[in-house]
Amino acid sequence: AQSVTQPDIHITVSEGASLELRCNYSYGATPYLFWYVQSPGQGLQLLLKYFSGDTLVQGIKGFEAEFKRSQSSFNLRKPSVHWSDAAEYFCAVAPGYSSASKIIFGSGTRLSIRP
Amino acid sequence: EAGVAQSPRYKIIEKRQSVAFWCNPISGHATLYWYQQILGQGPKLLIQFQNNGVVDDSQLPKDRFSAERLKGVDSTLKIQPAKLEDSAVYLCASSHRASGRVEQYFGPGTRLTVT
Repeated sequence: AQSVTQPDIHITVSEGASLELRCNYSYGATPYLFWYVQSPGQGLQLLLKYFSGDTLVQGIKGFEAEFKRSQSSFNLRKPSVHWSDAAEYFCAVAPGYSSASKIIFGSGTRLSIRP
Repeated sequence: EAGVAQSPRYKIIEKRQSVAFWCNPISGHATLYWYQQILGQGPKLLIQFQNNGVVDDSQLPKDRFSAERLKGVDSTLKIQPAKLEDSAVYLCASSHRASGRVEQYFGPGTRLTVT
């Protein structure tokens, strides 16, 4: 069965510092991969997605993620964080092999920004 | 383009009472999802509709939860009777799977507190 692991429950970084949030997945083939962000009291917003092709994908708000098949990872990065980036980040995976496939979410990483 | 609409945003009820949540997906999106997000966890799929048919309700507690999407557009999720453990945020999402795009767009959620 497919699964998603986000090993870091909570990360604190200084404003202006670089960021990397880890995501590992378990699935036999190459899945569809997503990163979502959830601000307090809000729904989830799609940051970026990977379906195929270039393994480095660019998203909104200056985020990028790199798909590494050999490590079953899809880590999210940002070169310089802003205070407004403080939120909960969810990695998600979907088999994508049929229209009935469903997205499985990780447990999330809460990002705090140190002034 | 209008996003996914949900109401109410907040609801407080006592255990054993009933409650209903409403969702209107993005126009043209055939697939609609209901998720339960317990505090500190990622969203968990409760039910998925394709137009007005149920695709996946394997994780829906059918003894107390029900959902419908009668005209293939908006949807209602009901809990009757509610239990304390149902306290969570209920998220609705939609996607345009007919175009092959599997990414989901989320509404702001309904925060349910059962006392």
